[in-house]
Amino acid sequence: NAGVTQTPKFQVLKTGQSMTLQCAQDMNHEYMSWYRQDPGMGLRLIHYSVGAGITDQGEVPNGYNVSRSTTEDFPLRLLSAAPSQTSVYFCASSRTGYSNQPQHFGDGTRLSIL
Amino acid sequence: GESVGLHLPTLSVQEGDNSIINCAYSNSASDYFIWYKQESGKGPQFIIDIRSNMDKRQGQRVTVLLNKTVKHLSLQIAATQPGDSAVYFCAENPPGYSTLTFGKGTMLLVSP
Repeated sequence: NAGVTQTPKFQVLKTGQSMTLQCAQDMNHEYMSWYRQDPGMGLRLIHYSVGAGITDQGEVPNGYNVSRSTTEDFPLRLLSAAPSQTSVYFCASSRTGYSNQPQHFGDGTRLSIL
Repeated sequence: GESVGLHLPTLSVQEGDNSIINCAYSNSASDYFIWYKQESGKGPQFIIDIRSNMDKRQGQRVTVLLNKTVKHLSLQIAATQPGDSAVYFCAENPPGYSTLTFGKGTMLLVSP
């Protein structure tokens, strides 16, 4: 009964490094998304996917790439890390891409960029 | 620990009191709303949801009220317990969008 699993839980990077944050769900959910959470800012949507092979941009997509080659996995790539990307990153999934669906969240990846 | 709670509105209550957490949403066309609870070091956890064709929905110890006239959502927690201490977020879903827009959150502190 894993739900949404995010790895790693913590990561420190140097400016300019690249990295992939992993997200996997075992609920056969069609919809997956990535958020970042900063103090006092709530959660902001980075990218989302309504199904395998389909991705779209959210509110704050710059500096991040995603792909969705399988239903289960939705990795988030930082191409060239910047200090402004220091944040807590959450992956979420829901059964379908339609509205009126609660999203289920992982426990996050805490990322620091030096 | 995480600093997600910095600069958040805070509601402090005594154990056993009823708590009311308020949220103003932005899109008058939003047709679905969710409340999440986030404990320190964890991801948001679904509490309760409500569709725009309803004014009130009850769960176990929680009630969500929706006032579409003033675009206001509230979460009532009955007999608040120390384990209820967390940050609470509301989220809205505009129609036709498969995305959620989150509020900034309210920290609930429950003292024994």
